[in-house]
Amino acid sequence: AQTVTQSQPEMSVQEAETVTLSCTYDTSENNYYLFWYKQPPSRQMILVIRQEAYKQQNATENRFSVNFQKAAKSFSLKISDSQLGDTAMYFCAFMGLSGANSKLTFGKGITLSVRP
Amino acid sequence: DSGVTQTPKHLITATGQRVTLRCSPRSGDLSVYWYQQSLDQGLQFLIQYYNGEERAKGNILERFSAQQFPDLHSELNLSSLELGDSALYFCASSVDGGLGTEAFFGQGTRLTVV
Repeated sequence: AQTVTQSQPEMSVQEAETVTLSCTYDTSENNYYLFWYKQPPSRQMILVIRQEAYKQQNATENRFSVNFQKAAKSFSLKISDSQLGDTAMYFCAFMGLSGANSKLTFGKGITLSVRP
Repeated sequence: DSGVTQTPKHLITATGQRVTLRCSPRSGDLSVYWYQQSLDQGLQFLIQYYNGEERAKGNILERFSAQQFPDLHSELNLSSLELGDSALYFCASSVDGGLGTEAFFGQGTRLTVV
């Protein structure tokens, strides 16, 4: 079974600064997908970024980028130029490819606060 | 707006009762996932359907059941409700239920059991 671990329960960052959120996972699969989802106070789950395990290049979406280390099973999210609207819970998630493993498995999440 | 519709948004009911949560996936999405989010448990995967068939099952209690109908909408039935079932229940949908396509989430149903 896949597991996703987010060991930092909360972090705080000054507006305009850069912050990195950590995530590790465990799987025996070779091909899979990794995601970061954002959950603001509205509780809506919003996809931030997606990474295919077979791609060596790290995914980037505007101010959001990942550091994907497949051998280490690590998938961290870097937020550059933090904005007040980035305040939210962030969840790391794993999706396998085969049958029952195709579900999204989430970490426990990290609460990020952006200070003005 | 994700395109995934969940009803009702809020539900308050008494212990021992039975409720049904409904989810309409995005147009064209064949797969539906159900998740439970409580304060101390994070997002727990309950069950996944793909084109009407159960594909994956998580830590879903025997008191809970779900199905996906021919029009692809899904219902999650919760029975013999207990206080601990109070949580936010999310439905998500994706095109193919795997292959790494994005899962779009509804706004959730907030269930309060009193």
